[in-house]
Amino acid sequence: GENVEQHPSTLSVQEGDSAVIKCTYSDSASNYFPWYKQELGKRPQLIIDIRSNVGEKKDQRIAVTLNKTAKHFSLHITETQPEDSAVYFCAASRAPDDMRFGAGTRLTVKP
Amino acid sequence: EPEVTQTPSHQVTQMGQEVILRCVPISNHLYFYWYRQILGQKVEFLVSFYNNEISEKSEIFDDQFSVERPDGSNFTLKIRSTKLEDSAMYFCASSAQGYNEQFFGPGTRLTVL
Repeated sequence: GENVEQHPSTLSVQEGDSAVIKCTYSDSASNYFPWYKQELGKRPQLIIDIRSNVGEKKDQRIAVTLNKTAKHFSLHITETQPEDSAVYFCAASRAPDDMRFGAGTRLTVKP
Repeated sequence: EPEVTQTPSHQVTQMGQEVILRCVPISNHLYFYWYRQILGQKVEFLVSFYNNEISEKSEIFDDQFSVERPDGSNFTLKIRSTKLEDSAMYFCASSAQGYNEQFFGPGTRLTVL
């Protein structure tokens, strides 16, 4: 099955700095790569996603890049704010309804 | 805005007992999922359900687990004989299409004593 690796497990940045989280996947058939944000005690919520026919996607302060050849994708958050503090999960789908998550990155943004 | 709902929010049970976790997916969604998250760990895929049958399942989803869509709105996860290691948050999710955003419910925290 698909195996998703995510790094780092924890990340601490100063408010205003950028944060980058990286993921790799094992199954070359995967073609949908979402990122979810989970605040403490809450449900995961989609923040951005990318499909295999696209190399980069941006939404305001958030961007995701995908390198299919290398089987890795990254989340970039610019101008971080304290409310960005949460656990971020990458995921990869190798089938329409089979999505596997990475282990998560706990992001802390210090004011 | 429509949301996925789950009941109960917290379930406490004795080891060996059966539990049923309930979910109401978003009404026009076609794909339904169950995930498990042990405290502080990653979200683990259990099973997906499409067109009234299981379409994918993980190695975690063994014979003690089953899913059912008993009517047009509910989607349930049954654990036949709970073990201590089944203690976790169970999330239901639904999506309108495959390879698309999955909307998660608030979760059911299962505690097995």
